[in-house]
Amino acid sequence: GAGVSQTPSNKVTEKGKYVELRCDPISGHTALYWYRQSLGQGPEFLIYFQGTGAADDSGLPNDRFFAVRPEGSVSTLKIQRTERGDSAVYLCASSSRQGLHNEQFFGPGTRLTVL
Amino acid sequence: GESVGLHLPTLSVQEGDNSIINCAYSNSASDYFIWYKQESGKGPQFIIDIRSNMDKRQGQRVTVLLNKTVKHLSLQIAATQPGDSAVYFCAERDTDKLIFGTGTRLQVFP
Repeated sequence: GAGVSQTPSNKVTEKGKYVELRCDPISGHTALYWYRQSLGQGPEFLIYFQGTGAADDSGLPNDRFFAVRPEGSVSTLKIQRTERGDSAVYLCASSSRQGLHNEQFFGPGTRLTVL
Repeated sequence: GESVGLHLPTLSVQEGDNSIINCAYSNSASDYFIWYKQESGKGPQFIIDIRSNMDKRQGQRVTVLLNKTVKHLSLQIAATQPGDSAVYFCAERDTDKLIFGTGTRLQVFP
């Protein structure tokens, strides 16, 4: 079956611009996560949705970052006034609350480059 | 493809040998641990997990060992194959989110 998909796969933008990154979770998965991975590092948690609501947004670095999941399926991560330090791979994962181990399935990521 | 990490610790093994990748975790209260494999240009892929009430769990060609006394995890891969070449991360669960370690690059040579 289809896994987690993310679009675009690559995004190049200029400092100060606004970007949106999209995540399509596995169908039926109620939990959705965003992580950010810098070069040479492990993924770092940003935000977690259970259904439509953000259950934990403690990882968002500042108020330039915002994410939504209006219908409990697709999610969009929005970054305002991008900075060069925002350059990273943004990973999305989803999981089913029915799973015994609540495994998170990751998408391929969106590589964001801020020039 | 894109490199996941250019400055990661690297383990080089010969095809057919066993590999052992180690990881230290930070939170003694963590109750669930996972090993992920990440190939270049892809997201992390689940390999095996273990709960804190266990000290060993085996899968297909992989074994995870947990030592809670020293907060240490290891991933053992038997008969390492070229397809095992990737970056490996351990992760610990903190409520519903995962806390990842730095990662180790595994290189398999013929």
